[in-house]
Amino acid sequence: DAKTTQPPSMDCAEGRAANLPCNHSTISGNEYVYWYRQIHSQGPQYIIHGLKNNETNEMASLIITEDRKSSTLILPHATLRDTAVYYCIVSMDSNYQLIWGAGTKLIIKP
Amino acid sequence: ETGVTQTPRHLVMGMTNKKSLKCEQHLGHNAMYWYKQSAKKPLELMFVYNFKEQTENNSVPSRFSPECPNSSHLFLHLHTLQPEDSALYLCASSQGSGTGKFETQYFGPGTRLLVL
Repeated sequence: DAKTTQPPSMDCAEGRAANLPCNHSTISGNEYVYWYRQIHSQGPQYIIHGLKNNETNEMASLIITEDRKSSTLILPHATLRDTAVYYCIVSMDSNYQLIWGAGTKLIIKP
Repeated sequence: ETGVTQTPRHLVMGMTNKKSLKCEQHLGHNAMYWYKQSAKKPLELMFVYNFKEQTENNSVPSRFSPECPNSSHLFLHLHTLQPEDSALYLCASSQGSGTGKFETQYFGPGTRLLVL
């Protein structure tokens, strides 16, 4: 069973910031939060990951709450090419498993 | 381009055919993975190879047979598949530390398989 909860779909206007929420209330202290996205019929693309601190890279920012029970992925200036299914995943540090949920379908509108 | 390539990109096969999917990674990684993604279902991990040794087999039917001749190549041999095996098959790779701790995985584009 997926350890994360995400809204099934979201819309965002092109050029605006897209904020994608994720709940992971059962996360353990040494489990990471990962974000991937999958554009239709392509392989998932790694975006960002974090443990406790907020993280930023060239694609996005990841904000993790202090209690680590939820996080938000921020795409600062969404473009039409950001339309995809976004997956929030909690890693399992005991093995290589990623538990994938249904993700959030993000639609960027002109 | 993620540095992980898969061939073929599309495959149609009958239930009595034998075919193979190929994955190659150009990232210098030591761990490789096969995933299955069926329509409207989450990704399912099938197999994991770390330093050419199989470390995970998630109760996959024997009609799927993986092969990892070296750290750069991974194959999935298919025989006597069923129509319900139609799916997107994804290959991924990661650094591969051998400790079992999770590492960022990089995915190929997938092979879209249709079993008739």
